[in-house]
Amino acid sequence: EAGVTQFPSHSVIEKGQTVTLRCDPISGHDNLYWYRRVMGKEIKFLLHFVKESKQDESGMPNNRFLAERTGGTYSTLKVQPAELEDSGVYFCASSQRERRETQYFGPGTRLLVL
Amino acid sequence: AQSVAQPEDQVNVAEGNPLTVKCTYSVSGNPYLFWYVQYPNRGLQFLLKYITGDNLVKGSYGFEAEFNKSQTSFHLKKPSALVSDSALYFCAVRDKGMIYNQGGKLIFGQGTELSVKP
Repeated sequence: EAGVTQFPSHSVIEKGQTVTLRCDPISGHDNLYWYRRVMGKEIKFLLHFVKESKQDESGMPNNRFLAERTGGTYSTLKVQPAELEDSGVYFCASSQRERRETQYFGPGTRLLVL
Repeated sequence: AQSVAQPEDQVNVAEGNPLTVKCTYSVSGNPYLFWYVQYPNRGLQFLLKYITGDNLVKGSYGFEAEFNKSQTSFHLKKPSALVSDSALYFCAVRDKGMIYNQGGKLIFGQGTELSVKP
């Protein structure tokens, strides 16, 4: 079974530019989560999809962040325009509806905003 | 508010010695607790979880964790450390939310860097 995949693995952009991160969850997982770890601090929740619907977006820092999940499959997280403080590692996780307790994480996307 | 604390930024252990990585939590009701490990340049890997039942939970790579409700702790342990166990360890609690279909997000501690020396 393929795990959660994320693309790109690394991204270096300048302040003010736009970046789009992609996450492909484990096949059949209805739940998809985005998290990020900024500057070596704790991992913080951004938002949660159940299929294509946003279930909880309480962790989204501001309206520069836009997440979508097309057809309940893969998800994208767009940052526009990027700011210096957006640098960090963005993780995606997915879980089954019936076994929602365990979330399986992707390798993360390391974003550096210069 | 629900929270998780990992009081040690770094733990140093000699190979072959037992290791403990500490975690305490604050949550209303019965907690769902997790340990994840992040090896260098890798993603988070699930180690083990406590949902209900036996307080001693066994997980991957020989790790185990003990749920202690009175002390609100969920310490990660291994009887004999390996150099390959050197990594970043995260404790997390699942937010159950107020509505069945909500919640599920994980609340993480700040992480503990484990270093095992030969």
